[in-house]
This record gives sequence, structure tokens and C-alpha cells, in this order.
Amino acid sequence: SSELTQDPAVSVALGQTVRITCQGDSLRSYYASWYQQKPGQAPVLVIYGKNNRPSGIPDRFSGSSSGNTASLTITGAQAEDEADYYCNSRDSSGNHPFGGGTKLTVL
Amino acid sequence: QVQLQQWGAGLLKPSETLSLTCAVYGGSFSGYYWSWIRQPPGKGLEWIGEINHSGSTNYNPSLKSRVTISVDTSKNQFSLKLSSVTAADTAVYYCARAPTKLGAHYYYMDVWGKGTTVTVSS
Repeated sequence: SSELTQDPAVSVALGQTVRITCQGDSLRSYYASWYQQKPGQAPVLVIYGKNNRPSGIPDRFSGSSSGNTASLTITGAQAEDEADYYCNSRDSSGNHPFGGGTKLTVL
Repeated sequence: QVQLQQWGAGLLKPSETLSLTCAVYGGSFSGYYWSWIRQPPGKGLEWIGEINHSGSTNYNPSLKSRVTISVDTSKNQFSLKLSSVTAADTAVYYCARAPTKLGAHYYYMDVWGKGTTVTVSS
């Protein structure tokens, strides 16, 4: 199956650490990529590959993977990190499904 | 700085064909896959399909029967056609760039267009 599953919503206190997870069989073979989307804006890539950040993404964003689960960790969450986060990967048939998305609230 | 500029009809009637184009400015067209993604109002992202400069395509199995993605390398453009649209196809449609590497165990889309809102209504 190429389905990716995310928790619909997660909250974190300002300055604390939060982990957003993504589960799927394809993650046993392929790394996830992670996208941040704020209201009315296009998604922005924040993590790709084993744990790579595009230029301009703060180092408080990191990625990891274990078995069928990929994780996006924000260490020291800021108010501007409040957004929807989506994981994406590929499967052996060339499909690239997204997870359902996680709404992150920074309290 | 690579930029993707997209355009197309924003209002369609049921059964019509959706047609969008995305132009690539400021970067190479080869060496990448070029994708389409959509997002219905208030919902999550859905990958539609992709094409490379040679015309090799991959499609979301759930949309494959209605989707055609094509490329015009002379203009550094790629296009999406989605046939027989219904209200369920109402969404913001994005184009995006995906770097490719043979044998890579990762996939990501690093440059995105701003999105085009498409509404299907009678």
C-alpha cells in the first residue's frame, strides 16, 4: 500500500519540541519529504532525504526515520511554525502519495 | 532562482476538460520531474502526476484514466489535462519541480508554483 498516515492535529507550547509522524509501508524503502503550508500559500519543502534542509529552512527543523515511520521534529517551536505539515514519499510503482496532513498549533 | 508560473481556465462546467500550463523560468528543464498536485478546499494535498523532459510520465492510479500530462521542451513548459471534470475536481492546482537521481530512495518537490484555483460548477 502507498498510503501515508498522519495525526490530524498536534499542539506544542512555544519554545518546546514537537514531533510530527507519518506512517506507511513505502517508508520502509523510501525517505519521506516534509512540507509546511500556511493558509493561502503554496507548500514549502522543509525536509527531504535522510535529514536534509533546503536553504533558508531553520535548523530547528529535522527529520528521522525508523521502520515504517518518518518523523519531522521541530526543536524550540516558534509562533511562525504554526501551519499544516504534509509528508510525501514514493512507492515502487512511481506513485507519490501525500499524508493527510497535520495541523500544528503553537500555544 | 527557478520560478514556476502557471495559468489556465479557472471556471469549468461538469464534463468539460481542465487544462493548465506551467512555465519554468530561470533554470534547467532537464534532470527533473515536473509534477502537478491539487488541494480541494479545506482538504489535503493530492499528487496528480509527473513528467520529465523526455516525456516519461507517472500518474496517480486514482486519476490515471482522466489525466494527461505533456511537455513542450522548446518552451520549458508542461501541461495538465483532466477530462470529464465534476465538482469533486474543484481545487487549487499546483505545479512543482522534483529533482531526480537514478536509484535514489527519496523524492521531493523543491520549487512550487503559486497555485491556480479551478472551480467546477454548472
